[in-house]
Amino acid sequence: DMKVTQMPRYLIKRMGENVLLECGQDMSHETMYWYRQDPGLGLQLIYISYDVDSNSEGDIPKGYRVSRKKREHFSLILDSAKTNQTSVYFCASTRGRTAETLYFGSGTRLTVL
Amino acid sequence: KTQVEQSPQSLVVRQGENCVLQCNYSVTPDNHLRWFKQDTGKGLVSLTVLVHENDKTSNGRYSATLDKDAKHSTLHITATLLDDTATYICVVGDRGSALGRLHFGAGTQLIVIP
Repeated sequence: DMKVTQMPRYLIKRMGENVLLECGQDMSHETMYWYRQDPGLGLQLIYISYDVDSNSEGDIPKGYRVSRKKREHFSLILDSAKTNQTSVYFCASTRGRTAETLYFGSGTRLTVL
Repeated sequence: KTQVEQSPQSLVVRQGENCVLQCNYSVTPDNHLRWFKQDTGKGLVSLTVLVHENDKTSNGRYSATLDKDAKHSTLHITATLLDDTATYICVVGDRGSALGRLHFGAGTQLIVIP
């Protein structure tokens, strides 16, 4: 079953705390993405990973970092979360060579108080 | 500056009616265009991908067109169902590989009422 799984689904943190968002996929896709979605805006790319330890900044990387030590897992880390990082975060994956179907996770709704 | 504009922002139709969603973009180059459906609180699910000039695709009650000259796409939903209630998102890719960027519209919120 082709799937992108995100954990947790909901998370509430206080400003200044560290946050770890996890994403897994079972399709051996090379390329994985982290996006955030805010009301009235299109999804914004935070980071893209082309494979293990091959990560690139997206359009809004400030305040975030990522880790990809296994092809099937891609983590998003917020060191010292800020209130303006309250958002819904989506992970996605694709096989990576052509305009193939993009698979999205169900999202993590993060609230930073 | 927003490179993908969707209209209308929201739309209410009665079950059984047809509807048309619009997507205009300024992304260059425009390698391909995708339409996604996003149910409330869920992830995006791909409906169709359009690649070529004047492409037309059909996926059940969903059909889409792409006019690359006009940088315009439409998504038609025929005989709407209550389950069609969702946000529909237009995405333009500037390359055919993962090296390209995807440019997302803000979506059209479709509400289907009985």
